[in-house]
Amino acid sequence: AQKVTQAQTEISVVEKEDVTLDCVYETRDTTYYLFWYKQPPSGELVFLIRRNSFDEQNEISGRYSWNFQKSTSSFNFTITASQVVDSAVYFCALVMNSGGYQKVTFGTGTKLQVIP
Amino acid sequence: DAGVTQSPTHLIKTRGQQVTLRCSPKSGHDTVSWYQQALGQGPQFIFQYYEEEERQRGNFPDRFSGHQFPNYSSELNVNALLLGDSALYLCASSPIGWESYGYTFGSGTRLTVV
Repeated sequence: AQKVTQAQTEISVVEKEDVTLDCVYETRDTTYYLFWYKQPPSGELVFLIRRNSFDEQNEISGRYSWNFQKSTSSFNFTITASQVVDSAVYFCALVMNSGGYQKVTFGTGTKLQVIP
Repeated sequence: DAGVTQSPTHLIKTRGQQVTLRCSPKSGHDTVSWYQQALGQGPQFIFQYYEEEERQRGNFPDRFSGHQFPNYSSELNVNALLLGDSALYLCASSPIGWESYGYTFGSGTRLTVV
């Protein structure tokens, strides 16, 4: 069975601080994808990044960076110099290919509040 | 290029009633998935449609059913509504193919059952 754990329910930071959102996953498959989505109050899930299980390179996109470590089954997300617009709920998701079909498991989300 | 469109935005229903939610996928996407997101929780997979057929299903009762039309749009039907069905229902579309996976989500329909 697969599982995604986002232990941080809510985080508050002051604007311009750095913040890291944790994601720990469980799967027995060797091939899988990991995702991060942002959900603003409007409700739409906004795709941030996709990483496959064979690519452990860290990635940086502007103020966002991701640290993928298979040894600890973690895929953490860091926002540098946070801004008020970063306030949202962030979800980590695990996607696997099960019999040709995609099986998607989301974490419970981390609510980030950036205080001006 | 329009993304995923869902209607209605909000809906209030009485326990025991039936409801139909609608989704138009992003242009070029032929696969539609539905998710239920309870307050404070992550989205839970309901089912996925491709070529007008249900390809896979999550752990939801038969009260939840769906349909996909030739133009790839989709409907989610829920019968005999329970208070626990109150949630945000998200539709996501994607192109078929494991390697090209990438979901585009709509803004959802917020269903309240009273």
